[in-house]
Amino acid sequence: SQTIHQWPATLVQPVGSPLSLECTVEGTSNPNLYWYRQAAGRGLQLLFYSVGIGQISSEVPQNLSASRPQDRQFILSSKKLLLSDSGFYLCAWSRTGDGYTFGSGTRLTVV
Amino acid sequence: ELKVEQNPLFLSMQEGKNYTIYCNYSTTSDRLYWYRQDPGKSLESLFVLLSNGAVKQEGRLMASLDTKARLSTLHITAAVHDLSATYFCAVAPYSGGGADGLTFGKGTHLIIQP
Repeated sequence: SQTIHQWPATLVQPVGSPLSLECTVEGTSNPNLYWYRQAAGRGLQLLFYSVGIGQISSEVPQNLSASRPQDRQFILSSKKLLLSDSGFYLCAWSRTGDGYTFGSGTRLTVV
Repeated sequence: ELKVEQNPLFLSMQEGKNYTIYCNYSTTSDRLYWYRQDPGKSLESLFVLLSNGAVKQEGRLMASLDTKARLSTLHITAAVHDLSATYFCAVAPYSGGGADGLTFGKGTHLIIQP
C-alpha cells in the first residue's frame, strides 16, 4: 500500500532563517506531488506541483521554492522566512484520475 | 480561474438531525473530492466523485455530483457528535485527466451538539 511521510511535524523558526520541509511517498512510482499551505482559520492554497523529477510548477509567486530531486521526494524550501510564511504545510500525492492523498502536515510558526 | 464556493461556512446542529452542505464550482470539471479535517490534523479523504450523477455513501454521509449544475452536495443523516469537524470540497480542473492540483472551498465548520 502507498504511504506518504512528512517531516518535521512542528517547526518554530525565526524571521530570516532558511526552511526545508521534506515529503516522501512509498509504494508507488511516478506520483504527482503537491505542496499546499493552510493559513490559520483559512482554506488550502496550492503552492507547487510536480509531475516528475525536476519538473516543478508554481501556482503562487512567493518566498518559497520547491524541488523534486528523486521520483518520490518533494522538498519545500525558503532562503529567508517571513512572518507571513507561518501556516500548516501539507504535501499530497496522486495518480492521474485517482484521489489525492495528504500527508500529516508540518505546522510552521515564524517568530 | 476555477473558483469553489461552499455553504454554509459554519453550521451548528443537534444530534439526530439531517443537513446538507453545498459545493458550487465555476468551470467545467468532472472530478470532485470531499475531505474531513479535525482540529490540528491533516485532511482525510471521504469521497471521490468522478462522473456526472455519481453518488457515494459511507455511514451517515452521502455525497453526490451534478456536473451540469456544477454542484456537489454532502448530506448528513441523523448526525452524531463524532461527525463534528471541518468539511472541505475540492475540484480538479477539467484537463483531460492531467495532474493539476485541487482548488478547495473555504470549508464548512460543523458542530454537532448533543
